[in-house]
Amino acid sequence: GQQLNQSPQSMFIQEGEDVSMNCTSSSIFNTWLWYKQEPGEGPVLLIALYKAGELTSNGRLTAQFGITRKDSFLNISASIPSDVGIYFCAGLGTSGSRLTFGEGTQLTVNP
Amino acid sequence: GAVVSQHPSRVICKSGTSVKIECRSLDFQATTMFWYRQFPKQSLMLMATSNEGSKATYEQGVEKDKFLINHASLTLSTLTVTSAHPEDSSFYICSARGVGTGRLQSSGNTIYFGEGSWLTVV
Repeated sequence: GQQLNQSPQSMFIQEGEDVSMNCTSSSIFNTWLWYKQEPGEGPVLLIALYKAGELTSNGRLTAQFGITRKDSFLNISASIPSDVGIYFCAGLGTSGSRLTFGEGTQLTVNP
Repeated sequence: GAVVSQHPSRVICKSGTSVKIECRSLDFQATTMFWYRQFPKQSLMLMATSNEGSKATYEQGVEKDKFLINHASLTLSTLTVTSAHPEDSSFYICSARGVGTGRLQSSGNTIYFGEGSWLTVV
């Protein structure tokens, strides 16, 4: 089946630093989605990407849909303590019926 | 605000009883809903996919007679854990995908998640 490799698994950074995480796949996706999940809550959609090459921002967050349609990255600029959480990438394949998740990146921001 | 609402957020039940979790789409008609299970510090594990008006498609290893899914309307899907056991204790999350209105008009290929439901079986 489809698999997503997300890296890094965890990051420990200082407040104000920029963060980058990415996902790669062996399969092509039509849509890439980035979510943030905080303890005890469901994932919250951060950015949705629909076209290869698309670069989209949401405040301090920027994500790109790779040209090959097999990868995506998420950048967070000038991190703040409330950025703490687990970030998941997810891809929607050509069948459009199933969301495949990455393993998540645990982000810790030290004030 | 939330576009997918899940209820209850926490439930404790006795072993052997059944418990129902509801998932509602608020701003759009959910043609497809997904149910996930998540263990601590792990990613989401897809349990089943349900399309409105048809039977759910279960992932391999998920018992369809134990995890009953009903998607009777375009805004509501339910997951019933039957004859619950302590090992069924987990965080259950639904998500929905469909055709939106208003600010979600482009949501056809975007999937929104509910807030999750903590199930504890004692």
